[in-house]
Amino acid sequence: EAQVTQNPRYLITVTGKKLTVTCSQNMNHEYMSWYRQDPGLGLRQIYYSMNVEVTDKGDVPEGYKVSRKEKRNFPLILESPSPNQTSLYFCASRGGDVAAKNIQYFGAGTRLSVL
Amino acid sequence: GDSVTQMEGPVTLSEEAFLTINCTYTATGYPSLFWYVQYPGEGLQLLLKATKADDKGSNKGFEATYRKETTSFHLEKGSVQVSDSAVYFCALRKRAAGNKLTFGGGTRVLVKP
Repeated sequence: EAQVTQNPRYLITVTGKKLTVTCSQNMNHEYMSWYRQDPGLGLRQIYYSMNVEVTDKGDVPEGYKVSRKEKRNFPLILESPSPNQTSLYFCASRGGDVAAKNIQYFGAGTRLSVL
Repeated sequence: GDSVTQMEGPVTLSEEAFLTINCTYTATGYPSLFWYVQYPGEGLQLLLKATKADDKGSNKGFEATYRKETTSFHLEKGSVQVSDSAVYFCALRKRAAGNKLTFGGGTRVLVKP
Protein backbone atom coordinates (compact mmCIF):
# COMPACT_ATOMS: atom_id res chain seq x y z
CA GLU A 1 0.00 0.00 0.00
CA ALA A 2 1.31 3.44 -0.98
CA GLN A 3 2.07 5.37 2.18
CA VAL A 4 3.64 8.50 3.56
CA THR A 5 4.31 7.94 7.25
CA GLN A 6 4.98 10.73 9.71
CA ASN A 7 6.03 10.40 13.34
CA PRO A 8 5.06 11.43 15.87
CA ARG A 9 1.40 12.28 15.22
CA TYR A 10 1.23 14.54 18.26
CA LEU A 11 4.01 16.36 20.08
CA ILE A 12 4.06 18.86 22.92
CA THR A 13 7.42 20.45 23.66
CA VAL A 14 8.96 23.54 25.22
CA THR A 15 10.69 26.49 23.64
CA GLY A 16 14.26 25.78 22.61
CA LYS A 17 14.22 21.99 22.88
CA LYS A 18 15.40 20.51 19.58
CA LEU A 19 13.01 18.10 17.88
CA THR A 20 12.77 16.05 14.71
CA VAL A 21 9.64 14.96 12.87
CA THR A 22 10.30 11.98 10.66
CA CYS A 23 8.75 11.30 7.26
CA SER A 24 9.09 8.16 5.20
CA GLN A 25 7.52 7.09 1.89
CA ASN A 26 7.44 3.64 0.30
CA MET A 27 6.80 4.66 -3.31
CA ASN A 28 10.38 5.42 -4.41
CA HIS A 29 9.33 9.02 -5.06
CA GLU A 30 11.95 11.59 -6.00
CA TYR A 31 10.09 14.64 -4.74
CA MET A 32 9.24 15.22 -1.09
CA SER A 33 8.12 18.32 0.76
CA TRP A 34 6.99 19.67 4.11
CA TYR A 35 4.03 21.95 4.69
CA ARG A 36 2.55 23.63 7.71
CA GLN A 37 -1.18 24.21 8.01
CA ASP A 38 -2.54 27.16 9.93
CA PRO A 39 -6.16 28.33 10.20
CA GLY A 40 -7.18 30.52 7.28
CA LEU A 41 -3.78 30.23 5.61
CA GLY A 42 -4.11 26.82 4.02
CA LEU A 43 -0.91 24.86 3.59
CA ARG A 44 2.37 26.67 3.15
CA GLN A 45 5.48 24.93 1.91
CA ILE A 46 8.44 24.90 4.30
CA TYR A 47 11.08 22.96 2.37
CA TYR A 48 11.16 20.58 -0.55
CA SER A 49 13.57 18.06 -2.02
CA MET A 50 13.86 17.07 -5.66
CA ASN A 51 16.01 14.03 -4.89
CA VAL A 52 18.68 12.69 -2.53
CA GLU A 53 20.97 15.48 -1.27
CA VAL A 54 18.92 18.11 -3.16
CA THR A 55 16.83 20.37 -0.94
CA ASP A 56 15.53 23.91 -1.27
CA LYS A 57 13.52 26.47 0.66
CA GLY A 58 9.81 26.84 0.27
CA ASP A 59 7.75 29.83 1.31
CA VAL A 60 8.28 29.68 5.09
CA PRO A 61 11.66 28.04 5.82
CA GLU A 62 12.76 30.17 8.78
CA GLY A 63 13.38 28.12 11.90
CA TYR A 64 13.42 24.78 10.09
CA LYS A 65 16.01 22.43 8.63
CA VAL A 66 15.70 19.33 6.50
CA SER A 67 17.94 16.61 5.16
CA ARG A 68 17.60 14.03 2.40
CA LYS A 69 20.28 11.38 2.87
CA GLU A 70 18.08 8.58 1.59
CA LYS A 71 15.36 8.64 -1.02
CA ARG A 72 12.63 7.37 1.29
CA ASN A 73 13.24 9.68 4.28
CA PHE A 74 12.86 13.43 4.66
CA PRO A 75 13.02 14.53 8.31
CA LEU A 76 12.03 18.00 9.47
CA ILE A 77 14.25 19.47 12.17
CA LEU A 78 13.44 22.31 14.53
CA GLU A 79 16.73 23.25 16.19
CA SER A 80 15.18 25.71 18.64
CA PRO A 81 11.40 25.58 18.48
CA SER A 82 9.37 28.67 19.32
CA PRO A 83 5.64 29.08 20.06
CA ASN A 84 4.99 30.50 16.56
CA GLN A 85 5.91 27.07 15.20
CA THR A 86 2.87 25.56 16.86
CA SER A 87 1.04 24.16 13.87
CA LEU A 88 -0.10 21.09 11.97
CA TYR A 89 2.65 19.72 9.75
CA PHE A 90 2.29 17.55 6.66
CA CYS A 91 4.86 15.66 4.69
CA ALA A 92 4.11 14.91 1.03
CA SER A 93 5.73 13.04 -1.84
CA ARG A 94 5.21 12.48 -5.54
CA GLY A 95 6.92 10.82 -8.46
CA GLY A 96 9.03 12.58 -11.06
CA ASP A 97 7.44 11.58 -14.33
CA VAL A 98 4.94 13.82 -16.10
CA ALA A 99 1.83 11.92 -15.03
CA ALA A 100 3.00 11.52 -11.44
CA LYS A 101 3.62 15.23 -10.98
CA ASN A 102 -0.11 15.78 -10.65
CA ILE A 103 -0.59 13.36 -7.78
CA GLN A 104 0.87 14.28 -4.43
CA TYR A 105 0.52 11.91 -1.47
CA PHE A 106 0.22 13.36 2.01
CA GLY A 107 1.00 11.93 5.40
CA ALA A 108 -1.59 11.99 8.18
CA GLY A 109 -0.04 15.03 9.84
CA THR A 110 1.88 15.92 12.99
CA ARG A 111 0.28 18.29 15.43
CA LEU A 112 3.01 20.22 17.25
CA SER A 113 2.52 22.47 20.26
CA VAL A 114 5.45 24.55 21.49
CA LEU A 115 4.94 25.97 24.97
CA GLY B 1 3.42 35.88 -6.55
CA ASP B 2 0.92 33.14 -7.17
CA SER B 3 -2.07 32.93 -4.89
CA VAL B 4 -5.35 31.07 -4.45
CA THR B 5 -8.44 32.54 -2.83
CA GLN B 6 -11.39 30.45 -1.73
CA MET B 7 -14.52 31.25 0.18
CA GLU B 8 -14.28 31.11 3.93
CA GLY B 9 -16.32 28.59 5.82
CA PRO B 10 -17.76 26.95 7.52
CA VAL B 11 -20.41 25.99 5.01
CA THR B 12 -23.28 24.14 6.65
CA LEU B 13 -25.69 22.20 4.47
CA SER B 14 -28.42 19.64 4.78
CA GLU B 15 -28.02 16.25 3.17
CA GLU B 16 -28.89 16.22 -0.56
CA ALA B 17 -28.33 19.98 -0.88
CA PHE B 18 -26.27 21.51 -3.69
CA LEU B 19 -22.73 22.51 -2.78
CA THR B 20 -20.59 25.20 -4.41
CA ILE B 21 -17.20 26.33 -3.14
CA ASN B 22 -15.72 29.26 -5.00
CA CYS B 23 -12.04 29.35 -5.90
CA THR B 24 -10.14 31.99 -7.85
CA TYR B 25 -6.45 32.17 -8.55
CA THR B 26 -3.73 34.60 -9.51
CA ALA B 27 -0.81 33.21 -11.44
CA THR B 28 1.28 33.89 -14.49
CA GLY B 29 1.41 31.32 -17.22
CA TYR B 30 -0.76 28.23 -17.28
CA PRO B 31 -1.00 26.50 -13.92
CA SER B 32 -2.64 23.16 -13.24
CA LEU B 33 -5.52 23.39 -10.77
CA PHE B 34 -6.55 20.97 -8.04
CA TRP B 35 -9.06 20.34 -5.34
CA TYR B 36 -7.88 18.43 -2.29
CA VAL B 37 -10.08 17.11 0.52
CA GLN B 38 -9.08 16.61 4.14
CA TYR B 39 -11.29 14.37 6.26
CA PRO B 40 -11.09 14.74 10.05
CA GLY B 41 -7.78 13.50 11.44
CA GLU B 42 -6.35 12.64 8.04
CA GLY B 43 -3.95 14.09 5.50
CA LEU B 44 -5.00 15.69 2.24
CA GLN B 45 -6.24 13.58 -0.64
CA LEU B 46 -6.45 14.64 -4.24
CA LEU B 47 -10.13 14.99 -5.18
CA LEU B 48 -9.88 16.19 -8.78
CA LYS B 49 -7.67 18.15 -11.14
CA ALA B 50 -7.60 20.06 -14.41
CA THR B 51 -4.45 20.82 -16.32
CA LYS B 52 -5.60 23.26 -19.00
CA ALA B 53 -8.32 25.79 -19.76
CA ASP B 54 -11.86 24.42 -20.16
CA ASP B 55 -10.87 21.04 -18.70
CA LYS B 56 -13.42 19.62 -16.29
CA GLY B 57 -12.20 17.53 -13.39
CA SER B 58 -14.64 15.15 -11.74
CA ASN B 59 -14.59 12.53 -9.00
CA LYS B 60 -17.07 11.13 -6.44
CA GLY B 61 -19.85 13.35 -7.78
CA PHE B 62 -17.76 16.52 -7.49
CA GLU B 63 -16.94 18.65 -10.53
CA ALA B 64 -14.86 21.72 -11.27
CA THR B 65 -14.12 23.45 -14.57
CA TYR B 66 -10.92 25.36 -15.30
CA ARG B 67 -12.06 28.84 -16.42
CA LYS B 68 -9.11 30.85 -17.60
CA GLU B 69 -11.18 33.89 -18.56
CA THR B 70 -12.39 34.28 -14.96
CA THR B 71 -9.33 32.60 -13.35
CA SER B 72 -11.67 30.34 -11.42
CA PHE B 73 -12.04 26.68 -10.51
CA HIS B 74 -15.26 26.42 -8.51
CA LEU B 75 -16.11 23.09 -6.90
CA GLU B 76 -19.67 21.76 -7.17
CA LYS B 77 -21.65 18.74 -6.08
CA GLY B 78 -25.30 18.24 -6.84
CA SER B 79 -26.35 16.26 -3.77
CA VAL B 80 -24.09 16.13 -0.74
CA GLN B 81 -23.94 13.40 1.88
CA VAL B 82 -22.94 13.47 5.52
CA SER B 83 -19.72 11.70 4.49
CA ASP B 84 -18.75 14.77 2.43
CA SER B 85 -18.14 16.72 5.63
CA ALA B 86 -14.49 17.75 5.38
CA VAL B 87 -12.16 20.64 4.64
CA TYR B 88 -11.68 21.37 0.94
CA PHE B 89 -8.58 23.05 -0.45
CA CYS B 90 -8.15 24.61 -3.86
CA ALA B 91 -4.57 24.62 -5.15
CA LEU B 92 -2.48 25.43 -8.19
CA ARG B 93 0.80 24.06 -9.46
CA LYS B 94 3.30 25.49 -11.87
CA ARG B 95 6.30 23.83 -13.42
CA ALA B 96 8.60 26.51 -12.07
CA ALA B 97 9.75 26.45 -8.45
CA GLY B 98 9.90 22.69 -8.27
CA ASN B 99 6.25 22.16 -9.13
CA LYS B 100 5.24 23.56 -5.77
CA LEU B 101 1.56 23.48 -4.80
CA THR B 102 0.07 26.81 -3.72
CA PHE B 103 -3.02 26.33 -1.56
CA GLY B 104 -6.02 28.41 -0.69
CA GLY B 105 -7.03 28.81 2.95
CA GLY B 106 -9.43 25.87 2.95
CA THR B 107 -13.22 25.72 3.32
CA ARG B 108 -14.81 23.60 6.01
CA VAL B 109 -18.03 21.90 4.92
CA LEU B 110 -20.44 20.39 7.40
CA VAL B 111 -23.32 18.30 6.09
CA LYS B 112 -26.12 17.60 8.53
CA PRO B 113 -28.53 14.65 8.23
